[in-house]
Amino acid sequence: SQTIHQWPATLVQPVGSPLSLECTVEGTSNPNLYWYRQAAGRGLQLLFYSVGIGQISSEVPQNLSASRPQDRQFILSSKKLLLSDSGFYLCAWSNRNEQYFGPGTRLTVT
Amino acid sequence: GESVGLHLPTLSVQEGDNSIINCAYSNSASDYFIWYKQESGKGPQFIIDIRSNMDKRQGQRVTVLLNKTVKHLSLQIAATQPGDSAVYFCAENNSPASKLTFGTGTRLQVTL
Repeated sequence: SQTIHQWPATLVQPVGSPLSLECTVEGTSNPNLYWYRQAAGRGLQLLFYSVGIGQISSEVPQNLSASRPQDRQFILSSKKLLLSDSGFYLCAWSNRNEQYFGPGTRLTVT
Repeated sequence: GESVGLHLPTLSVQEGDNSIINCAYSNSASDYFIWYKQESGKGPQFIIDIRSNMDKRQGQRVTVLLNKTVKHLSLQIAATQPGDSAVYFCAENNSPASKLTFGTGTRLQVTL
């Protein structure tokens, strides 16, 4: 069966510091991968998606970037965090239409 | 954990009653729809999906209804239980790469 992992689970970072969140998927190959952000009490905003290694599409202009160095690994990064980057970050994978989500990373920028 | 649902519309239902959660979607070209359940501090969990060539689909205690004429989607939960308390999101797919557009969510509160 397929599983998706995200780490860390929680993170507190100062403004201006770098960020690296990691997502890995097991039990499937060549999945589509997605990064979402969810502000408290809000819906999900798609940040990036990837249909293959090295292929990244950005949905909204922002302070973040994404990379896919391996088939089942998706990384969300920032060189300098802003207060507005705080939120709940979710990674998801898909092989067809439905998407399956990871447990999320709660990021607080102070 | 993350506080999901602070500003979301809330539906309060008594345990054992049926729940109906509604969603209006935006794109008439959307051909696939999903309902997700999200508990506080966790990632969304897939509940049930439906394609645009259907108007009803049933799962275990859940039914999804699709009305393409008015672009409306609903999730019915039979015999609602305390464990059903969560935020429920609908999502529509109308693009390649299976990109989903999510609704704003509804918080379901089950009272005893």
